[in-house]
Amino acid sequence: SAVISQKPSRDICQRGTSLTIQCQVDSQVTMMFWYRQQPGQSLTLIATANQGSEATYESGFVIDKFPISRPNLTFSTLTVSNMSPEDSSIYLCSVELPGSKPQHFGDGTRLSIL
Amino acid sequence: GQQLNQSPQSMFIQEGEDVSMNCTSSSIFNTWLWYKQDPGEGPVLLIALYKAGELTSNGRLTAQFGITRKDSFLNISASIPSDVGIYFCAGRDYRGSNYKLTFGKGTLLTVNP
Repeated sequence: SAVISQKPSRDICQRGTSLTIQCQVDSQVTMMFWYRQQPGQSLTLIATANQGSEATYESGFVIDKFPISRPNLTFSTLTVSNMSPEDSSIYLCSVELPGSKPQHFGDGTRLSIL
Repeated sequence: GQQLNQSPQSMFIQEGEDVSMNCTSSSIFNTWLWYKQDPGEGPVLLIALYKAGELTSNGRLTAQFGITRKDSFLNISASIPSDVGIYFCAGRDYRGSNYKLTFGKGTLLTVNP
């Protein structure tokens, strides 16, 4: 498996502001993913972040709202832009280890927007 | 899009009882995964199933990949208080240029000591 660290672990933000969430992995991985988990709900894939290429967004998610960076094989960021209370969720990053292994998740960032 | 139906939504059991939960899909997956999420943490992989009909155990947990590739179940035997949490099934398939997961809505398990 891999050790996946997310920062911050939680935050309370004002509406209209933006927050950047960091995801650091202790080994090199090609595939990194960002998910949203709304309160009491399941996980929904926001986008796939591959190093060296633009992130691929799922239906309902756009780059202007959730810009993603993937500068190297161990790091990625997700920005939640122009936040509103509806963006209050847990944001999780996950990685797929080499060999198409199942995804492993970080502990998430718990975001509340006032 | 793809949808997974996971049941039951929640379970309240006594310590020592066995538990069973399942997921069904409208489409085929080539891998079924079961995760557990504790409060304040991310999902942790419990079992991965790669072949139709495969039956795999991990301690007190047993999971099976349905023959039709559209369903999976997870059994927990002799439950203990630390089994409390939310259990998610996830189907994995190759879409676009990589594997992606579709998650069920989760089963909330409560174990009374």
